[in-house]
Amino acid sequence: AQSVTQPDIHITVSEGASLELRCNYSYGATPYLFWYVQSPGQGLQLLLKYFSGDTLVQGIKGFEAEFKRSQSSFNLRKPSVHWSDAAEYFCAVGSLSTNAGKSTFGDGTTLTVKP
Amino acid sequence: NAGVTQTPKFQVLKTGQSMTLQCAQDMNHEYMSWYRQDPGMGLRLIHYSVGAGITDQGEVPNGYNVSRSTTEDFPLRLLSAAPSQTSVYFCASSAYNEQFFGPGTRLTVL
Repeated sequence: AQSVTQPDIHITVSEGASLELRCNYSYGATPYLFWYVQSPGQGLQLLLKYFSGDTLVQGIKGFEAEFKRSQSSFNLRKPSVHWSDAAEYFCAVGSLSTNAGKSTFGDGTTLTVKP
Repeated sequence: NAGVTQTPKFQVLKTGQSMTLQCAQDMNHEYMSWYRQDPGMGLRLIHYSVGAGITDQGEVPNGYNVSRSTTEDFPLRLLSAAPSQTSVYFCASSAYNEQFFGPGTRLTVL
């Protein structure tokens, strides 16, 4: 069965500092990997996705993520955080055979940005 | 192009009542899903559909029914609401490699 672990429940960073959110997955086949962001009271918005090819993927809002197969990780990074990045972030894994619509989500990481 | 729409936005039920959460998409996606989101637990898949007339259970299907008579609509029915079903419910539709989420329905069962 596929699973996703986001080790950090809550992270606080200062505005302008760099950010890395961790994500580890478990899946036997080639995974589809996603990062979503959810602002308070809102739905989920896709930040970026990885299916194959270049292991460093660029997303919206200045985010990037790196797929490391050997570590089963797909960590999200941003070089300089803005106050508007405060939100909850979810990592998800799907598969080629089951379609993105049957993704398994991590429990989320809440990001707080200090002024 | 409205994307994925959900109604209602908020709902309060009494234990034992039934109701239907509506979900519609206008992107002609075959795949649609229902998730529930509870604090600290991420999103859990309730039911999903791979096309009109085809549905299947997800991780937490008990207490919920679905049907898919058209490509556009995928309603979620609570047959007899329980306090444990208090949650935020998200509907999503997907092309093969990306999900699009609705704005959610916040349900409280008293």
